[in-house]
Amino acid sequence: AQKITQTQPGMFVQEKEAVTLDCTYDTSDPSYGLFWYKQPSSGEMIFLIYQGSYDQQNATEGRYSLNFQKARKSANLVISASQLGDSAMYFCAMRGVNTNAGKSTFGDGTTLTVKP
Amino acid sequence: DTEVTQTPKHLVMGMTNKKSLKCEQHMGHRAMYWYKQKAKKPPELMFVYSYEKLSINESVPSRFSPECPNSSLLNLHLHALQPEDSALYLCASSQPGTGEIEGYTFGSGTRLTVV
Repeated sequence: AQKITQTQPGMFVQEKEAVTLDCTYDTSDPSYGLFWYKQPSSGEMIFLIYQGSYDQQNATEGRYSLNFQKARKSANLVISASQLGDSAMYFCAMRGVNTNAGKSTFGDGTTLTVKP
Repeated sequence: DTEVTQTPKHLVMGMTNKKSLKCEQHMGHRAMYWYKQKAKKPPELMFVYSYEKLSINESVPSRFSPECPNSSLLNLHLHALQPEDSALYLCASSQPGTGEIEGYTFGSGTRLTVV
């Protein structure tokens, strides 16, 4: 079984500052992937970043980086230089290599509001 | 432009109506998914198709009927829905298989209201 926990229902950040969104996970799969998605109010889910459980380095994609601490089972998303367009709901998700093709587990999400 | 296209974007239907949601992708992905999402909640998996075959049905009521006519198309047929079925329905695609891990590509969703 897999479980994703996002403990921050809502977060506020000042424009141009960095923000960290927390995600912890639990799984019995020996190999898995961790994902972050962004969902603006328009509804579309946008894939942001991926971290493999065996990757030695933390993943980065532009202003997004994933702070992966395997021993702590955490996969926090760091957004640098926040922009007003970053205001959205953010979901952490995971998928095991050995689970049914494509079945992901999602956390409850964190709503991020960027203040001007 | 999103690479997964869902139509219609909005749908209002009565409880006795029959309607269909459509999803199309041209990314060469061989796994396609239907998710249901209530406001401020995470998406809930409904169905997974892998290589055009239904591989996962998350105990979804029979009033929802999925169909995958080919590797690019995914339909969700709706019949005799209830007001509690009102939600955002998201389609997604990815590569299946245990050897490849990548994020899903989602469509922009269909906002369904059952009256």
